[in-house]
Amino acid sequence: GAGVSQTPSNKVTEKGKYVELRCDPISGHTALYWYRQSLGQGPEFLIYFQGTGAADDSGLPNDRFFAVRPEGSVSTLKIQRTERGDSAVYLCASSLTNRVFDTEAFFGQGTRLTVV
Amino acid sequence: GQQLNQSPQSMFIQEGEDVSMNCTSSSIFNTWLWYKQDPGEGPVLLIALYKAGELTSNGRLTAQFGITRKDSFLNISASIPSDVGIYFCAGPSQGAQKLVFGQGTRLTINP
Repeated sequence: GAGVSQTPSNKVTEKGKYVELRCDPISGHTALYWYRQSLGQGPEFLIYFQGTGAADDSGLPNDRFFAVRPEGSVSTLKIQRTERGDSAVYLCASSLTNRVFDTEAFFGQGTRLTVV
Repeated sequence: GQQLNQSPQSMFIQEGEDVSMNCTSSSIFNTWLWYKQDPGEGPVLLIALYKAGELTSNGRLTAQFGITRKDSFLNISASIPSDVGIYFCAGPSQGAQKLVFGQGTRLTINP
């Protein structure tokens, strides 16, 4: 497809388990972002990649959260020892360049994570 | 950190009515963005504003970048059922390549 693709669409996991969320950005987009959206709130920044490197991971809430983008395309957000408070929609976005206010960032449909 | 406050939090209107919502901040933003999010989807960019005082239209949507650079508003004229959704304002965080979002305005249209 031509848009940002996120898998799975929904993930239910038990407290304490490990989860991986995948993002396929638009082909050719060098910048990739992960956001988290809690119910009734706007998206909150987690981490930003420029190419393969994490240029800004200041939004990751703690060391249970980690993200990679080994080949500069697909990214995986990894959450260890999940907690009920991790339940949210995790959104991925990509843009053509790293100038977030010059080029539109296109969002995927999100992965709804529920920790029970 | 920088925060954006949107009002109202929700709106219930009749089809055909005009809608106005706004977004304010205690700090200056150099760019204002307005997004719409449908259920189960990611946000989609509606309008981008880059200069203080700028007024920009996109079909029935009009947005303005406040002269103080601390606020913006979005108007929707002659609302239709597909306008239902959550509208977010956003702006780039100072010195960083990331967006700060407001908490959203939920628009519901009564048939």
